[in-house]
Amino acid sequence: NAGVTQTPKFRVLKTGQSMTLLCAQDMNHEYMYWYRQDPGMGLRLIHYSVGEGTTAKGEVPDGYNVSRLKKQNFLLGLESAAPSQTSVYFCASSYSRGRADTGELFFGEGSRLTVL
Amino acid sequence: QQQVKQSPQSLIVQKGGISIINCAYENTAFDYFPWYQQFPGKGPALLIAIRPDVSEKKEGRFTISFNKSAKQFSLHIMDSQPGDSATYFCAASQSYNTDKLIFGTGTRLQVFP
Repeated sequence: NAGVTQTPKFRVLKTGQSMTLLCAQDMNHEYMYWYRQDPGMGLRLIHYSVGEGTTAKGEVPDGYNVSRLKKQNFLLGLESAAPSQTSVYFCASSYSRGRADTGELFFGEGSRLTVL
Repeated sequence: QQQVKQSPQSLIVQKGGISIINCAYENTAFDYFPWYQQFPGKGPALLIAIRPDVSEKKEGRFTISFNKSAKQFSLHIMDSQPGDSATYFCAASQSYNTDKLIFGTGTRLQVFP
């Protein structure tokens, strides 16, 4: 099992360009998440999905869009990249919520995005 | 009230020493407190977690201590090893709600031989 796979791992954009980050999981998890990690700010939730065809806003959703057309995939899009979106992005997945044995988040290895 | 405050930001420990990372929260509804460990270039991974019905949980060299009245919890790493060098995040949520998990700002631990 590959777990949670993110592509690409690195990307450099110019201000105003658009791009999509792809997350794929092979654990049949219902929940999927996109976080951003910035120095001194921990992990902040951007958007999440509780199942195929659903999406919801997290703590820092502005400037991002997401889609979950298939259960195993969760896409994060930047329509017009800004330098403030320079960050490391992590995708995660989990079985569901509200149960002790399903509360664990499984993270991908991250995608480092630089916006010039 | 939704914040989880974590300290210190960085920590340097000699091999064999004890590493202590502290976290504090405000929301009394939080009842699930996991710790995640992140190695350089990797994603975070669940290390250990605790619920407030116990004051301590131990897994090998890693122990979570929980003080409900003070709204604080801490991670103790006994006999710290260079392989423990990583960034550690505390987190909190209500009823294992993973979509409402609030992370601390992280502590970078370096263990020197």
